Amino acid sequence: GAVVSQHPSWVICKSGTSVKIECRSLDFQATTMFWYRQFPKQSLMLMATSNEGSKATYEQGVEKDKFLINHASLTLSTLTVTSAHPEDSSFYICSARAAGVFGSYEQYFGPGTRLTVT
Amino acid sequence: AQTVTQSQPEMSVQEAETVTLSCTYDTSENNYYLFWYKQPPSRQMILVIRQEAYKQQNATENRFSVNFQKAAKSFSLKISDSQLGDTAMYFCVITGTASKLTFGTGTRLQVTL
Repeated sequence: GAVVSQHPSWVICKSGTSVKIECRSLDFQATTMFWYRQFPKQSLMLMATSNEGSKATYEQGVEKDKFLINHASLTLSTLTVTSAHPEDSSFYICSARAAGVFGSYEQYFGPGTRLTVT
Repeated sequence: AQTVTQSQPEMSVQEAETVTLSCTYDTSENNYYLFWYKQPPSRQMILVIRQEAYKQQNATENRFSVNFQKAAKSFSLKISDSQLGDTAMYFCVITGTASKLTFGTGTRLQVTL
């Protein structure tokens, strides 16, 4: 149980275009989802927290207009990187927190999406 | 604010041996959880073990166990009978009432033959 999927697993896009990454909780409802960014050989950096049906909360230094997050249902959150630039190339990971169960502080992670902007 | 410190960037252990990864943390909260996550080369984050701060008993999961010293704010991970599949980056993580995870910088563990 507690499986989180991400799509796509790898995407290459041209500079100036937008790309959408989907994060789905497959077998549980996730009231809260999180988006992280990970640079090579580094730790995970929290970008934003999204709650179903409300606006995302962004961490300091993360551009809201560049990284659009939508959490339209209890099983789906999307991250859209708008007007992508090469410096946005990174590994993006989502996680989901299950609602109302023991270990609700625990987060289940998706497999990640590698974004390459050329 | 919560912080996590992992002072061992890299470690190596031979197969079947035991290794301990260190972690210290700081938090002002009374209720919090501690986790060890592993990230193998596939980059999928996998929960290894969890510890509730209010529990004095150290958590164990098969070959994995923790030494939780609340007063010292220390949370080390012991891996017994190391296997090649344990090769991964290990992150010590803390979370509190805000539900945000704070990650340490990670320890890269290499299990060798």
